[in-house]
Amino acid sequence: DQQVKQNSPSLSVQEGRISILNCDYTNSMFDYFLWYKKYPAEGPTFLISISSIKDKNEDGRFTVFLNKSAKHLSLHIVPSQPGDSAVYFCAASIGDSGGYQKVTFGIGTKLQVIP
Amino acid sequence: DAGITQSPRHKVTETGTPVTLRCHQTENHRYMYWYRQDPGHGLRLIHYSYGVKDTDKGEVSDGYSVSRSKTEDFLLTLESATSSQTSVYFCAISTSARSTDTQYFGPGTRLTVL
Repeated sequence: DQQVKQNSPSLSVQEGRISILNCDYTNSMFDYFLWYKKYPAEGPTFLISISSIKDKNEDGRFTVFLNKSAKHLSLHIVPSQPGDSAVYFCAASIGDSGGYQKVTFGIGTKLQVIP
Repeated sequence: DAGITQSPRHKVTETGTPVTLRCHQTENHRYMYWYRQDPGHGLRLIHYSYGVKDTDKGEVSDGYSVSRSKTEDFLLTLESATSSQTSVYFCAISTSARSTDTQYFGPGTRLTVL
C-alpha cells in the first residue's frame, strides 16, 4: 500500500513553460514533505521541502504547494529548462517522535523538458 | 557535493553467492542508510545506522545484513543473493535522524543477480 503516490510516471514540457509535478499521500500523520531530483546514473539530490504548517515554499524557480485537506502537494518549476529533465521523487515523513524518522518515497515522475 | 562513494558501481553475480556493497563517506555524518530502488516502488529503506556498531532494520531488511565498524564505512551484505535482489542500491548519509535534515545520496550500485 503506497502511502505516497505519484500517479504520473512521466511528463513532457516545452522549455520556458511551467512544469507541475503532483503527489498525493494517504497518511494524515505526515507532516514534512520533500522533493528529490535524480539524474540517470546518479543518486537523488534534495531539491525543496515543506512543513505541514505552511502551504507554500519557494526556492528560485521551484515552488512546492501543500494542500493538507486534499492530502496533495505539487512542485512547480518556472520556467522549465532542459537541465531540469530528471526523475522527481516526492517524499514524506512523520514529525519528531524521537529516533529515526522514516522517509517514505513515491515512485517518481520522469520530467522531460523539450528545447 | 557530499563526499559519498559506493563500490562497486556495477556487479553481476549468480544466485546463492554472497555479495557485499560498500559505502564510504568523508563527511563524518553520524547516520548512514541503505536503500534499494526498483521500478514501481521508489526508494525503500533496507537498513540504517546511527553510529559505529549501531544499526537497525528498515522496511525491506529480509535477506540483508549490515555492518559499521568505522564512522566512514557502511557495508551491506547479501548473504545468499537471489534474483529478487536485483536492484539499484543507494547509500545515503545525514547528520541527524530528523527528516528535516537532508539526506545526501551516493551514486548507486547496480546489482544484477542471475
